[in-house]
Amino acid sequence: NAGVTQTPKFRVLKTGQSMTLLCAQDMNHEYMYWYRQDPGMGLRLIHYSVGEGTTAKGEVPDGYNVSRLKKQNFLLGLESAAPSQTSVYFCASSVFPWVTSNEQFFGPGTRLTVL
Amino acid sequence: GQQVMQIPQYQHVQEGEDFTTYCNSSTTLSNIQWYKQRPGGHPVFLIQLVKSGEVKKQKRLTFQFGEAKKNSSLHITATQTTDVGTYFCAGMNYGGSQGNLIFGKGTKLSVKP
Repeated sequence: NAGVTQTPKFRVLKTGQSMTLLCAQDMNHEYMYWYRQDPGMGLRLIHYSVGEGTTAKGEVPDGYNVSRLKKQNFLLGLESAAPSQTSVYFCASSVFPWVTSNEQFFGPGTRLTVL
Repeated sequence: GQQVMQIPQYQHVQEGEDFTTYCNSSTTLSNIQWYKQRPGGHPVFLIQLVKSGEVKKQKRLTFQFGEAKKNSSLHITATQTTDVGTYFCAGMNYGGSQGNLIFGKGTKLSVKP
């Protein structure tokens, strides 16, 4: 099993450009999450999904959109990138949160720089 | 909104010394999880605590969940260079937003050989 994979690993954008980050998981998890990690800020939730076809806003959703058309994939889109979106983006997945062990499995991350 | 505070932000120790990081929530938690992130890596799950006053051990690591379920700690005995990384606590609220985790900002541990 590959677990959680993310593409691309690195990307440099110019202000105003758009891009999509892809997250895929092969563990049949219902829940998927997108976080951003900035120095000294920990992990902040951008959007999440509790199942195929559903998405919801997290703590810092502005400037991002998501889609979950297939259970195994969760896409994060930046329509018009801004320098403030320079960050490391992590995708994660988990089974239903209310089970005994609901650990989140993280992907390797995407390092995005917006110039 | 709910906050999870974690201290210290940084800790530098000599190999063999002990290390402790503390986590405090502004609200009562249903459970708390701990993750480790190696430099350049991604967060990796260490453990989940659910019960009030719970204590769990993993070799040199001891995890505690407070009686009021609002605070937690991670203690490492006799640190090794392999312990280097950032340790995050993450709390889950009762009936919170779909069971989302609120992460602390992490404690970055460096170990001098």
